[in-house]
Formats: sequence, C-alpha cells, structure tokens
Amino acid sequence: GEDVEQSLFLSVREGDSSVINCTYTDSSSTYLYWYKQEPGAGLQLLTYIFSNMDMKQDQRLTVLLNKKDKHLSLRIADTQTGDSAIYFCAESRRDSSASKIIFGSGTRLSIRP
Amino acid sequence: DVKVTQSSRYLVKRTGEKVFLECVQDMDHENMFWYRQDPGLGLRLIYFSYDVKMKEKGDIPEGYSVSREKKERFSLILESASTNQTSMYLCASTAPSQPQHFGDGTRLSIL
Repeated sequence: GEDVEQSLFLSVREGDSSVINCTYTDSSSTYLYWYKQEPGAGLQLLTYIFSNMDMKQDQRLTVLLNKKDKHLSLRIADTQTGDSAIYFCAESRRDSSASKIIFGSGTRLSIRP
Repeated sequence: DVKVTQSSRYLVKRTGEKVFLECVQDMDHENMFWYRQDPGLGLRLIYFSYDVKMKEKGDIPEGYSVSREKKERFSLILESASTNQTSMYLCASTAPSQPQHFGDGTRLSIL
C-alpha cells in the first residue's frame, strides 16, 4: 500500500517522555518528516531526517529511523502542556514530475497533569 | 524564513458559488500544493504545481481546479461549491527534495 500510518491518539503525563510512532511504505524515500499542528493553525515543520541516518537529536526532540522495518519515531523529552498538538509523520516520494510528500493521518498528543 | 500566506483564515460561502482560495509564497519555490484536511482523514492532496502554468492532479481533484499564472501564486478554485467541500484548506510550497512549508490554512464553510 501507499499509506503512512500512525496511531490517532496519545496521552502522556506532564514531564514524561512522549513517543509517537509511524510506519511508511516507500523504501526509496529520501527524507522523512515530523510536522506539528496546533489548534487552528497550519503545519509547522518540527524536524526531518535523511534516509541514510539512524538518529537525529534536536534539544528535546529525538528522531529514530529503522529503515529495515520502515519505522520512524519521534520522542519528546520532558513533555510540556505546550506540546499538545497533532503530530504528522510524512515521507517524501519522487513523482514523475515533482517531489510529493505523503502524510500520515496525524497523532493527537494530549498532556495530563 | 519561508513565508506562505493564504489570503483568508475563515471563509463562508453558499452552495453553487465560485470560490477562490489564494496562496502566495516568497521563496521562489518551484513546487506548490493544495491540501484539504478533514478529521480522521489527515491531509489529502488536491492539486500540485511544479512550475508556472503547470499543474497535476493529486488524490482528490474532483470539484476543484487550480491556476498558477505566476511562480509565487497558486490559486485553488471551487467552480460550484458544495457542502461536502466544507473543510480546512492548506497550501504548501517547496524547492525540490526539500521539506514543505505550510500556510496557516483557510477554514472554508459552504452553507
């Protein structure tokens, strides 16, 4: 199939780590992305990883890529209330004419006190 | 920073009207995209353009058309709006093999 799949909901306690998982299908994808969408807003690029990397860390964010299993994860350390949002996993694909990005359905992260 | 600007945050139109959604980017990007976002369905690609006057259908083009007369502007057109086109519409732009940058979205309601 052509889907990028991720679970729809995740609830974590404030201060804990959040781990959002994603599976993709195209082994030739060059980049994989994580976007964040806050209520009423567009998508904000959080981070991305090139397909020849296993891990990328940026402050509280850690991206892990397992190419063999086509599995991507986003870990948010010390989760805060401001992290409440929908997180979209996406992969790049080369179409006949342009690069397209295929999005998952998004994971809604909620933070409980 | 890349700036993608959508002309309206909220829009209310009536069934049968012709509706224009405008998107402008300031980074000289070749590629521009229109998506709609609906609960539980994620983002679905309507149309994209990889050059001026060039367009290609995405996954759900029915009921829509697009126009790209200038590189910085990509317009989405609902020829005859219907209630099932009530949605959040998101525009994005990118250079080849780079991440897409999104506008803030237009929430369109068709009455």
